[in-house]
Amino acid sequence: EPEVTQTPSHQVTQMGQEVILRCVPISNHLYFYWYRQILGQKVEFLVSFYNNEISEKSEIFDDQFSVERPDGSNFTLKIRSTKLEDSAMYFCASSDRSNEKLFFGSGTQLSVL
Amino acid sequence: AQTVTQSQPEMSVQEAETVTLSCTYDTSESDYYLFWYKQPPSRQMILVIRQEAYKQQNATENRFSVNFQKAAKSFSLKISDSQLGDAAMYFCAVYNFNKFYFGSGTKLNVKP
Repeated sequence: EPEVTQTPSHQVTQMGQEVILRCVPISNHLYFYWYRQILGQKVEFLVSFYNNEISEKSEIFDDQFSVERPDGSNFTLKIRSTKLEDSAMYFCASSDRSNEKLFFGSGTQLSVL
Repeated sequence: AQTVTQSQPEMSVQEAETVTLSCTYDTSESDYYLFWYKQPPSRQMILVIRQEAYKQQNATENRFSVNFQKAAKSFSLKISDSQLGDAAMYFCAVYNFNKFYFGSGTKLNVKP
């Protein structure tokens, strides 16, 4: 079965540093998402992406965050200047149509020290 | 704003028994989708079951079934013949306007 792939599985960074989280969605999918989950808390929506542009974003997704689909297969989340509170599991997800089920990647655990 | 409430932070069930996880939500929309996701200790998110709000028939997926009460905005998950591998966090989610909204999760323990 096709799957969403995320790299790296763990990322440790110093506060203030830039990080890029990478995702390879399922190949024929058109809708892409980033979610995060702070340990012990609920899964929170960050951003959705369709047709090479952001379609929805949450209040969490401020100017420190950006997304990109650089080469038609990868889907990246960049955090420009990480803060301690950015420490979380970041999930990438994709779907082939709007309102269809999401396929999640296995997540990237980001630790900001 | 959409809200999803899972009022049971943790539940336990004996292996082979049946357990029901509750979920209520708040939306003003008439067309939306409901999901249950399972998150094992690996923290991967795995789809368990999906329900379209316009369908009256409750979705069923092997040992998993839902009780969807649209008027009450309730969407509970029933797990029959519970297995040790069912132990995980379970998240209820509502989808519309290109966004998923998740509940806070219910931790399910399965006792052998």
